[in-house]
Amino acid sequence: QSVLTQPPSVSGAPGQRVTISCTGSSPNIGAGNDVHWYQQLPGTAPKLLIYANTNRPSGVPDRFSGSKSATSASLAITGLQAEDEADYYCQSYDSSLSGRVFGTGTKVTVL
Amino acid sequence: EVQLVESGGGLVQPGGSLRLSCAASGFTVRSNDMSWVRQAPGKGLEWVSVIYSGDTTDYADSVKGRFTISRDSSKNTLYLQMNSLRAEDTAVYYCAREAYYYDSRGYPVYYFDLWGRGTLVTVSS
Repeated sequence: QSVLTQPPSVSGAPGQRVTISCTGSSPNIGAGNDVHWYQQLPGTAPKLLIYANTNRPSGVPDRFSGSKSATSASLAITGLQAEDEADYYCQSYDSSLSGRVFGTGTKVTVL
Repeated sequence: EVQLVESGGGLVQPGGSLRLSCAASGFTVRSNDMSWVRQAPGKGLEWVSVIYSGDTTDYADSVKGRFTISRDSSKNTLYLQMNSLRAEDTAVYYCAREAYYYDSRGYPVYYFDLWGRGTLVTVSS
């Protein structure tokens, strides 16, 4: 099971702002390890959305933003659009497991 | 075009073996760190294994001793040899290229910047 906890689902109307939390602990986010985010559209492979807590790869709209605090991270989507309906995963490194770890995943629904 | 294409998935009986392939184009597998990530039906993502450009490998505890990651530079292809397969290994297997940077502490930080479309492995009798 995953060591990074995300809410199973979040929803919002078009144009609204939603946030997804990613809660970790001392061996991962709490150890100062950075967090990355991935978007998985229905029936497709994951795609890098945010890396190094706050950075967007080329081509990712600035509606997506990331932040990180002591033991958690967040992904915010502003100006929610229908095409944002997808599953979102956070990812970090866990020193006790000595490996990359993913969050439990959050399904975003646009109402 | 920069892309990854997996193949080799299928139906296999418990205890059986399977070898997955991941053909890369637009970049060289040998010069990059490469991973396998899997996703059980209706479930989340699970990192499986990595091979670094320096040939060091690492595995998740759930597959250690059963799976082997390797690459063939001449074919620009990544592989995952899976032995002693179990029902819980049933998943879509993605290969992914890893990028890295050094954080403020000087530690390398890895993330997945390119993914293939995946190949489905079903372990069932």
